[in-house]
Amino acid sequence: KNQVEQSPQSLIILEGKNCTLQCNYTVSPFSNLRWYKQDTGRGPVSLTIMTFSENTKSNGRYTATLDADTKQSSLHITASQLSDSASYICVVRGFYGGSQGNLIFGKGTKLSVKP
Amino acid sequence: NAGVTQTPKFRILKIGQSMTLQCAQDMNHNYMYWYRQDPGMGLKLIYYSVGAGITDKGEVPNGYNVSRSTTEDFPLRLELAAPSQTSVYFCASTNRENTEAFFGQGTRLTVV
Repeated sequence: KNQVEQSPQSLIILEGKNCTLQCNYTVSPFSNLRWYKQDTGRGPVSLTIMTFSENTKSNGRYTATLDADTKQSSLHITASQLSDSASYICVVRGFYGGSQGNLIFGKGTKLSVKP
Repeated sequence: NAGVTQTPKFRILKIGQSMTLQCAQDMNHNYMYWYRQDPGMGLKLIYYSVGAGITDKGEVPNGYNVSRSTTEDFPLRLELAAPSQTSVYFCASTNRENTEAFFGQGTRLTVV
């Protein structure tokens, strides 16, 4: 079964610190991998999208990496801000449908940034 | 260009009542999805559609129905609401080539 596993489940850091979130997936064949930010009570919003040929992609203070060989991705947040407090969701898009459609979601990492 | 629009934003239903959650997108996207998100959990796929007239079950379809008569609209129907359907529902869309998925703001449903 196609799966996306994220770690840690939750994380608390102090404002200004860096952090890294992990995503491991078993989706095959693989089209692309996305990281979303979901604020409480809101819909997910895209941060980065990477295809299998891309190793890294940045969006401001967010940098995502992808190792398609080991099926691992990470999201690094630099100089965290209070507004970074949210859930971060890893989503992998496969090439086919099935009961999961073609977007497979991780359960997310809940990040809390404290002053 | 409004993206993905969901209505209503909030709703309280009594057990056994029915309702339709509306979802519309104006990006001419082929793929549309309905997800539910329970507290502290990831999104679970209810139904999806790869184009007008085509729908498929997702991971948790029981108790729901969908239709896709146009490219723009993908309503989700609850026929006999149950407390287990208390959740936040998200609609999303992507096109066939695009790598981006756009989400609506969600509908918070409570069944009492």
